[in-house]
Amino acid sequence: QQQVRQSSQSLTVWEGETAILNCSYENSAFDYFPWYQQFPGEGPALLIAIRSVSDKKEDGRFTIFFNKREKNLSLHIKDSQPGDSATYFCAARYNQGKLIFGQGTKLSIKP
Amino acid sequence: EAAVTQSPRNKVTVTGGNVTLSCRQTNSHNYMYWYRQDTGHGLRLIHYSYGAGNLQIGDVPDGYKATRTTQEDFFLLLELASPSQTSLYFCASSLGWNTEVFFGKGTRLTVV
Repeated sequence: QQQVRQSSQSLTVWEGETAILNCSYENSAFDYFPWYQQFPGEGPALLIAIRSVSDKKEDGRFTIFFNKREKNLSLHIKDSQPGDSATYFCAARYNQGKLIFGQGTKLSIKP
Repeated sequence: EAAVTQSPRNKVTVTGGNVTLSCRQTNSHNYMYWYRQDTGHGLRLIHYSYGAGNLQIGDVPDGYKATRTTQEDFFLLLELASPSQTSLYFCASSLGWNTEVFFGKGTRLTVV
């Protein structure tokens, strides 16, 4: 059973557009939702995170929109750059820090 | 920047073989984790530990053992490797249960 689901395995957008990556989850007990960015040959690295008490978190060009009632969230990458091409993982945490990851979305930015 | 170092970076073994993956963190972190990454599944937690000598079972522990010998070192053991264990393995660490998790660069294991 996939507790955290990412709706697209891959996504391609043009440079300068806003990329939108979607994620949904099953467990109402999840209270912390990080997004990780992974480049080829590297481990995932924390990009931005939100807690369930908030509905929006912004950090530069990256924004998380969170809908607790619908159990979904999305990562918006404004003004996409070729350097943003990577795999993005949505994750959720409960119970002493066990992170549950989604399947990942491979984002490609076309110049 | 937190440092998590994995070795080897690549490993090929035969079915039934014995493999040990090593991880060292120099961040004075309490928690260490082993994940496997597979296409279509994301990262799945195998085992984790919150201190030397401690071991907690993750979500996909079957076929794996782990041992935390020191604060810095966490090992993943495959005693009878199977082709289904061909994967990309990541070690990670965090200071506490609710703090940022830092990942190593991964070990690609192939079981033939």
